[in-house]
Parts: sequence; structure tokens; C-alpha cells
Amino acid sequence: AQKITQTQPGMFVQEKEAVTLDCTYDTSDPSYGLFWYKQPSSGEMIFLIYQGSYDQQNATEGRYSLNFQKARKSANLVISASQLGDSAMYFCAMREFLGGSEKLVFGKGMKLTVNP
Amino acid sequence: DVKVTQSSRYLVKRTGEKVFLECVQDMDHENMFWYRQDPGLGLRLIYFSYDVKMKEKGDIPEGYSVSREKKERFSLILESASTNQTSMYLCASSSRQHSGANVLTFGAGSRLTVL
Repeated sequence: AQKITQTQPGMFVQEKEAVTLDCTYDTSDPSYGLFWYKQPSSGEMIFLIYQGSYDQQNATEGRYSLNFQKARKSANLVISASQLGDSAMYFCAMREFLGGSEKLVFGKGMKLTVNP
Repeated sequence: DVKVTQSSRYLVKRTGEKVFLECVQDMDHENMFWYRQDPGLGLRLIYFSYDVKMKEKGDIPEGYSVSREKKERFSLILESASTNQTSMYLCASSSRQHSGANVLTFGAGSRLTVL
């Protein structure tokens, strides 16, 4: 069963507008972490933002914020005031613990295009 | 600037060849990972290691093996490359803290084409 679901294969947004990228997850572990990464056309994976399952407040990092709805198991990324440089692939990921070690499980990603 | 370095950015190999993908990190991280990235499939974990000489299978280990003889180096081995292993391979590392934003740092990727 898919643990991280990103249903939007692609989105278009106008420069300076806000955009929400959807992510839902599935886990029975009470302790988990959720991450968003950006991958521009250059291929590098860039960490954007993190939300812990016990964090009381939604995470924010500059123009990025995470709309964390624990009961609905969703962790949507909100980008405010989109810029042309935000055009990239975006991946949602969840940290799992396995017998003392941990790994990150990624969604299939979605492509964001910011139009001028 | 901290780094994860993958030895080859682009490789072209023939079916049946043995392929080594090397990854080195300079952050003294305990955990290292090999992912494969394919369009529409996202990143899938092949193998990971949480200590020297330790390895764990990820979600798609078939056709791959790994080696971690030194803390900073994690190698991915394709014993007999096949065309369905044509892909982008991403190495990553992280520290062993089990809480908080234990962020993975990625290398630039190695794009392998098997003919």
C-alpha cells in the first residue's frame, strides 16, 4: 500500500500567487516525521521543510509553510508569493523507523510550473 | 560546504556489465542510502546502511548489492546490469538522531543508461 500519496501530477500557478501542493500519508506509528523536498531541473534534491508528528504548530520556513492536519493524515505544502525559480518537482516524504534504523519513504512527486 | 559526492554523473554501460556507483560524504553521517528515481514513480529505496559494514534492504533491492567498508563511503553494485536498471541513482546521508528534522543530504545523482 502506498504510504505517501501525491495526487496532483502537475500544477500551474501565476507568479506571485500562492499555491498548495497536496500530500497524504499512511502510518500507524505515533511518532513520524514529514518532509518536503524540491528538485529543480538541475536534479539536486533540496530540503524545504519538516513537520514532526508531535509538533503542536504548523511548520514554516520563509515562503514555505506546512498545513498539517493530523486527523486527516495530510501534510500539504503551501508556497506563498510564487517565484519563477519555484518551478520544479516537489516530493513529500515520511520518515519511518525500522528496528532501530530509519528511512525516508517518498511520494511520486508533482511538477510545479510558475508562469510569469 | 558539506557534501555528498557521487563519483559519476553520467554512465553508459552494456547489458551484463558489472557497474559500481560510488558515494562519499564528508559529514561523518552514520546513515547512508541509495535511491532510484524514475519518472512517475518518485524515489524508491534500494539499500541503506546505518553503520560501517551494516546494510539493510530497501523496497527494491533485487539486482543490486551494496558495500560499506568505511563510514564515509557507500557503494552500489549492479552485478550484471540490465536495461531495466536504466535510471537516475541518488545517494543520500543523514545523522543517526532519531528525532527532529533529521534531514537527508543528497548527492547530485548518477544517470545510468544500460544498452
